[in-house]
Amino acid sequence: KAGVTQTPRYLIKTRGQQVTLSCSPISGHRSVSWYQQTPGQGLQFLFEYFSETQRNKGNFPGRFSGRQFSNSRSEMNVSTLELGDSALYLCASAPSESTDTQYFGPGTRLTVL
Amino acid sequence: EDQVTQSPEALRLQEGESSSLNCSYTVSGLRGLFWYRQDPGKGPEFLFTLYSAGEEKEKERLKATLTKKESFLHITAPKPEDSATYLCAVQGVRDDKIIFGKGTRLHILP
Repeated sequence: KAGVTQTPRYLIKTRGQQVTLSCSPISGHRSVSWYQQTPGQGLQFLFEYFSETQRNKGNFPGRFSGRQFSNSRSEMNVSTLELGDSALYLCASAPSESTDTQYFGPGTRLTVL
Repeated sequence: EDQVTQSPEALRLQEGESSSLNCSYTVSGLRGLFWYRQDPGKGPEFLFTLYSAGEEKEKERLKATLTKKESFLHITAPKPEDSATYLCAVQGVRDDKIIFGKGTRLHILP
């Protein structure tokens, strides 16, 4: 079974631009969560989607948004990029509403110049 | 506010030298405590979920235990391939958000 895939793997943007990251969960998984990982703050929860509905949201500004499609694929968008948005963005999928066992993708490394 | 603190930040051991990693947590009602392993350049890999104090789980050279305030990840006779960052996370019943600690970087010397 293929794992969680994320595209692109690396991205370089400049301040003020916007970016869209994509995540394809493991086949059959309906829950997708997004995390931001930085050396200073570690892994921080962004949001979680289940069956196209946002079930939970972390403490990030409104510039961070996401959505989930009917095939469970998910995208997250960051508008008006800031230097501090440089991070590894990780997507994780779970087979059900319960996020007891999450399977992470390799992440998208975003660099904002 | 839910919180997770992991110690030590980094740990260097000789191959075969057993040790334990600590995860202290504060959460208003624990739904689950999770351990992950993360290798450089990769996403975290799920290891264990613990639900209640007294619970223990094992996998190869790793054993995770849970009390009402902390969890330990015991590593017995580690090998160089056990070198990685080990992450602890908790999920509370209040809002279901998963809170991660900053991890322990483990380096096993051959």
